[in-house]
Amino acid sequence: GAGVSQSPSNKVTEKGKDVELRCDPISGHTALYWYRQSLGQGLEFLIYFQGNSAPDKSGLPSDRFSAERTGGSVSTLTIQRTQQEDSAVYLCASSPPGAQRQYFGPGTRLTVT
Amino acid sequence: AQSVTQPDIHITVSEGASLELRCNYSYGATPYLFWYVQSPGQGLQLLLKYFSGDTLVQGIKGFEAEFKRSQSSFNLRKPSVHWSVAAEYFCAVGEAAGNKLTFGGGTRVLVKP
Repeated sequence: GAGVSQSPSNKVTEKGKDVELRCDPISGHTALYWYRQSLGQGLEFLIYFQGNSAPDKSGLPSDRFSAERTGGSVSTLTIQRTQQEDSAVYLCASSPPGAQRQYFGPGTRLTVT
Repeated sequence: AQSVTQPDIHITVSEGASLELRCNYSYGATPYLFWYVQSPGQGLQLLLKYFSGDTLVQGIKGFEAEFKRSQSSFNLRKPSVHWSVAAEYFCAVGEAAGNKLTFGGGTRVLVKP
């Protein structure tokens, strides 16, 4: 079956611009996660959605970062006024109800110039 | 807060030799432990996981890991490696509730003929 998909696969943007990154989880998966993978910081948790509950935003590095999940499915991670330190690979993962394992997408590589 | 340490940033192993990757964690409760592999340009693939029960767990691609509570360790092993094992390996700990993962810094494995 189809896995987690993310778009775009690569994004180059100028410093100060806003960007939106999209994640399509596996159908039926109720939990969705965003992580960031950068050279300096490794793999970091950003935000977690579970069903209709309020998201866990504890990993978002600043108020320039936000995410939403519409209809319990697709999620968009938005970064406003991008900075060079935002350059990283942004990974999305999803998991089915009651499961502890996460299925990861291929990631979006963001480069801020 | 939980943390994961992978002491070895790089490991070089000869083809056919055994491989062991170290992972130490810090977590207040019973941990949910994972090993993921990331090949160049790819997302994260789950190799194996430990939640409870038998402390020696078997995973895909001939990998196994042993949970040692007394040492707070979850080391990954493979008895005989093929060149295809070359990749980056991440150990992670998950919370019982919420399931967000905390990753170690990763170990890059190089295989020499």
